[in-house]
Amino acid sequence: NAGVTQTPKFQVLKTGQSMTLQCAQDMNHNSMYWYRQDPGMGLRLIYYSASEGTTDKGEVPNGYNVSRLNKREFSLRLESAAPSQTSVYFCASSEKGSGGYTFGSGTRLTVV
Amino acid sequence: GENVEQHPSTLSVQEGDSAVIKCTYSDSASNYFPWYKQELGKRPQLIIDIRSNVGEKKDQRIAVTLNKTAKHFSLHITETQPEDSAVYFCAASRMNTGFQKLVFGTGTRLLVSP
Repeated sequence: NAGVTQTPKFQVLKTGQSMTLQCAQDMNHNSMYWYRQDPGMGLRLIYYSASEGTTDKGEVPNGYNVSRLNKREFSLRLESAAPSQTSVYFCASSEKGSGGYTFGSGTRLTVV
Repeated sequence: GENVEQHPSTLSVQEGDSAVIKCTYSDSASNYFPWYKQELGKRPQLIIDIRSNVGEKKDQRIAVTLNKTAKHFSLHITETQPEDSAVYFCAASRMNTGFQKLVFGTGTRLLVSP
């Protein structure tokens, strides 16, 4: 029972490089989310997918794109990384009406 | 949109003391209020939650209270232990039929000294 799995766990990018963060859940949850966590700022929502086939912007979507590949997988793409995107990224999922998120273990991204 | 404020940012207590963390929210339509605990280098984990039709909820040494009129909710930890040391986040959302968008507070770093 893996829950929510994120890859990679650590990544260093140069400014301008692109990369995709992967997230998969095995709990048959309908909704999935991407947050970033920065010191003193809590967790801020980047994008979310309420259900398979839909995606919407959250609070801080600029510089990111997402794909809900199927019910299990929700990826986050940085097309041209910037130092301001240095952060810890968490993927999460939730079930309809149940309340609460299950988080992945996070990806620590550094952009130099 | 929703805005959640959390206080204090840091809290130091002696083992055995009680700890209280407070949050306020802005959207009167919010009806779901979870609390997460995040240990250093780990993922946030849900420890307790409350819905707007309930004023208080307890689970062993932790409890959450909600005042809908004042739009604030609090986490209470009694008989604190060193393993309670972590960062705690409150959050708020509207519990829609299909999903929820949690808005998080900025976190409280709790340090419990032996």
